[in-house]
This record gives sequence, C-alpha cells and structure tokens, in this order.
Amino acid sequence: DAGITQSPRHKVTETGTPVTLRCHQTENHRYMYWYRQDPGHGLRLIHYSYGVKDTDKGEVSDGYSVSRSKTEDFLLTLESATSSQTSVYFCAISESGTGGRYTEAFFGQGTRLTVV
Amino acid sequence: QKEVEQNSGPLSVPEGAIASLNCTYSDRGSQSFFWYRQYSGKSPELIMFIYSNGDKEDGRFTAQLNKASQYVSLLIRDSQPSDSATYLCAVSPYNTDKLIFGTGTRLQVFP
Repeated sequence: DAGITQSPRHKVTETGTPVTLRCHQTENHRYMYWYRQDPGHGLRLIHYSYGVKDTDKGEVSDGYSVSRSKTEDFLLTLESATSSQTSVYFCAISESGTGGRYTEAFFGQGTRLTVV
Repeated sequence: QKEVEQNSGPLSVPEGAIASLNCTYSDRGSQSFFWYRQYSGKSPELIMFIYSNGDKEDGRFTAQLNKASQYVSLLIRDSQPSDSATYLCAVSPYNTDKLIFGTGTRLQVFP
C-alpha cells in the first residue's frame, strides 16, 4: 500500500470553528490532492499541489485553504466550518510520468468530517 | 458541461455477464485516463490506466479509449458479485496538473 496517512480519521466540529486536516505521504510524490466526496457528486477536487509551496484551486475551493511546506505534508484548512462542508475528505498523491502523462493516484483512508 | 461524465446507474448485470461502463470527457487534449473501483465506505483503488487509443486488457478488465469521440470505457468480463461497487472514471485534462473524477457508476452484480 502507498504510504499515505490522513488525520484525523473522524472529526465532529461546531459551525464557525476552524478545522485542519492533515495528509502525510512517505512516497516522495510530487502531486498531492484534496477531494471531498458527497452522495451524487462523486469526488470533487478542492485544491491540489504540484510541489512545495505550489498549490492551486480545484472545482470547489471556496471556504478552504491549503498549505504545503514540506514534500510529505499537505494540510487542508476550513477557516470557519459550515454544515455544507460535512463530507468525507480524501487525500491523494501521484507522480508525473513522461510526455505530459501522469501515473495513477493513490488515496488515503479518508476523513469523515461532521459540522454541527 | 462537466469535465468528466458518467451515468450514475445502478447498472445491474447477472453473474458471469459482461459489464460495460462508460465515461465521456470534455477536454480533447487529455492524455491520462484512469478507472477506479470504490467499495462502500472505502477509498478508491486503481483498476486500470490507459494513455493511448484502443484497448488495454488486464485479466477480466478491458479499458477502451477513443480520443476522437472523447470517451473511455471499462469492460468487466465474467462479472462476479464481488465486483459490485462504484466505478470512477478519472481524467487529467491537457496542460493541467489536475485529476478530475466523474460522479461514478454503481455496478450491481446479482447471483
């Protein structure tokens, strides 16, 4: 199994509080992604990183920020959690291949976040 | 138009039949295509990837890519009840570092 660890695995938080989810990898892969998964929406990209301190927005980035100060860690922060951010969050890693192609993405175990 | 589209299903097939899952994508320059399987409550896991037009076979699975028509499909031969899961198509659009997923197709294989 690819070395990806998400923490925490489960969290319940109150509306308006800040929350930080952590993704840690031991594969030294360049790319890291944060997705959320909700019924009927599949996996939606929140933010991604293509290197240390290099990040960009995905499809559903409003209300989220990220940071990557080391290759192995990618943090997702909900500045002020809302009930609409209740979801399962997945981190994924991948590496670039040749000719503009990408290798497969490996996923962490997921974090179930509930905002009450 | 969504970047990656899949029929949500459920697709129900009898055990031993061929299951055919389809995916269309909007960015004509996309070069990397992936199929993932996700069991309920679990993380997605890679089944196959394909980069070039045509068919790619791996055991009971065949991925088919047609860049001119912008679709990628997954065939599962001799379907088993253990294949019952949600199948996610993922595409890396041209000149981006993103990996975009479809909403997934739920497959049910009944005995």
